[in-house]
Amino acid sequence: DGGITQSPKYLFRKEGQNVTLSCEQNLNHDAMYWYRQDPGQGLRLIYYSQIVNDFQKGDIAEGYSVSREKKESFPLTVTSAQKNPTAFYLCASSSGQTRYEQYFGPGTRLTVT
Amino acid sequence: SQQGEEDPQALSIQEGENATMNCSYKTSINNLQWYRQNSGRGLVHLILIRSNEREKHSGRLRVTLDTSKKSSSLLITASRAADTASYFCVINAGNNRKLIWGLGTSLAVNP
Repeated sequence: DGGITQSPKYLFRKEGQNVTLSCEQNLNHDAMYWYRQDPGQGLRLIYYSQIVNDFQKGDIAEGYSVSREKKESFPLTVTSAQKNPTAFYLCASSSGQTRYEQYFGPGTRLTVT
Repeated sequence: SQQGEEDPQALSIQEGENATMNCSYKTSINNLQWYRQNSGRGLVHLILIRSNEREKHSGRLRVTLDTSKKSSSLLITASRAADTASYFCVINAGNNRKLIWGLGTSLAVNP
């Protein structure tokens, strides 16, 4: 089955620790995205990558970092510099042919205390 | 803000009724999409309508787009309890793949 997987589903961390969220897709999509969603809110773009070894900051990149060493993988690191990291994180991908339609993973709910 | 603004913020209907959600935006767009999100889960793409299209159908969904009024509507006919979810209007503008998300309409379909 083709799709996007995110792990883990729930993640708990202590303040001051970096944490990496996994995102893997086997859809052969070129572009991948990370979003953050807060309660009752729409999605805000953190980072996106249109090809391997290249990525751009989204609207709220501060305190986050990404890498895109493989087409299938786009991990997100939430650093200790992120002031309010507790949120629901969603990874998505899109192909070059259906370039605007995005396919989403199930999300990771991160709680930092 | 460029984002789409959905109206109403929340909608509660009985099973079998139709549900209409509206979206207004402020910029010229390439296309507009609607996504559904079930409680606390990932999002599912429902339908995309391009700026040169006025209406699109997919199953029980009907989307209209009026670029002169910068507005779109999503109609779900013969609603079911399983349609209970948040629905997001998402616009693409400019020359990249970035999507701009609205805050969503929360739909409750009561059995």
